[in-house]
Amino acid sequence: GQQVMQIPQYQHVQEGEDFTTYCNSSTTLSNIQWYKQRPGGHPVFLIQLVKSGEVKKQKRLTFQFGEAKKNSSLHITATQTTDVGTYFCAGRLMIKAAGNKLTFGGGTRVLVKP
Amino acid sequence: DSGVTQTPKHLITATGQRVTLRCSPRSGDLSVYWYQQSLDQGLQFLIQYYNGEERAKGNILERFSAQQFPDLHSELNLSSLELGDSALYFCASSERTRQGLDTEAFFGQGTRLTVV
Repeated sequence: GQQVMQIPQYQHVQEGEDFTTYCNSSTTLSNIQWYKQRPGGHPVFLIQLVKSGEVKKQKRLTFQFGEAKKNSSLHITATQTTDVGTYFCAGRLMIKAAGNKLTFGGGTRVLVKP
Repeated sequence: DSGVTQTPKHLITATGQRVTLRCSPRSGDLSVYWYQQSLDQGLQFLIQYYNGEERAKGNILERFSAQQFPDLHSELNLSSLELGDSALYFCASSERTRQGLDTEAFFGQGTRLTVV
């Protein structure tokens, strides 16, 4: 079954508001990556987190890796229409059966109301 | 431009047919991944190759197969196609660190397959 879960599946946000999307794994992750897919486009890498408790910022985006390295979050402040798209987290599960593959979450589709 | 090239961009075919999707990774990347994305769905991992060898397998159907050639390009073969196979198929490539871990994945534009 799905080993990396993302919530919410859909996020309707008023322009200017903040929101957070969450990524949870049933297994410890060696690292976590975040990607953004614009409508009609392909996933584009945003960032990678490796260390327990790591926090990284990219302008209005704040990424966090949990202390247990089983969850992550993406917080966007002052949402803009350019933030529209689907945000995926992807992790490398620390189990032998997973190999080195990236396991993607189901994504959070963000819609912005102007 | 991610540097990953996928062809064709669009493909329409009938049920029962067989198609081949092609991917050229970024120059120097040895790892190639294939993902399937159905309408409004997430990315389902199909298979990974590293330097010509299969490294990981996801929920790939027996009707599907893939390979990576000596020049590192990869092909995904889909046979006995069904309506439910209609989806966007992405190829991604990444390089490997000295520690043996793949870095971020660079995705191609995808091949949109429509089975009618």
